[in-house]
Amino acid sequence: TAGITQAPTSQILAAGRSMTLRCTQDMRHNAMYWYRQDLGLGLRLIHYSNTAGTTGKGEVPDGYSVSRANTDDFPLTLASAVPSQTSVYFCASSDRQGAIRNTEAFFGQGTRLTVV
Amino acid sequence: AQTVTQSQPEMSVQEAETVTLSCTYDTSESNYYLFWYKQPPSRQMILVIRQEAYKQQNATENRFSVNFQKAAKSFSLKISDSQLGDTAMYFCAFMIWQGAQKLVFGQGTRLTINP
Repeated sequence: TAGITQAPTSQILAAGRSMTLRCTQDMRHNAMYWYRQDLGLGLRLIHYSNTAGTTGKGEVPDGYSVSRANTDDFPLTLASAVPSQTSVYFCASSDRQGAIRNTEAFFGQGTRLTVV
Repeated sequence: AQTVTQSQPEMSVQEAETVTLSCTYDTSESNYYLFWYKQPPSRQMILVIRQEAYKQQNATENRFSVNFQKAAKSFSLKISDSQLGDTAMYFCAFMIWQGAQKLVFGQGTRLTINP
């Protein structure tokens, strides 16, 4: 199985432009997450979703929006990009319920975004 | 607030040595899972080991083991007989259910294994 697929792998974006980072999983996991990774700050949670139709704000939600129309897809949108949003973005998923073997979070390969 | 703190930004040891990475966390939840993830230069996030908070026995996976001190909210990772392939960023994380499932990460420790 593919697991989690993110697209694009990398992108250079002009400040003020909008962009949607795509994330698709084929594991039927209920929970999905978006993180940004910055040197010295680790992975910070942007938004999450515990089931289709619901979303929640993480630690650093400002400037980002998400939607969860179905179980498999969890796109992240930057409405008007700013240079401080330059980062590596990771999408992840996990099974919300079940035994411990299902608590592992699976990650996409990341999207390197540069806002200039 | 739910936080994870890794106080060692970088560590370096010689091959075959043992190294311990520190992690402390803060949560008011009583039920949670703790994890160590490895991120090699490929950027891939790889689960190294996990621990259930309600289990007192420390988890072990081959050369990797943890020292889980629940009262102190400490969750350190010990790597025995370190190998060159262990060179990576290591992230400590915990998963909680606080009305919603969240996975919270620390800042990371960059570990270098020298030949």
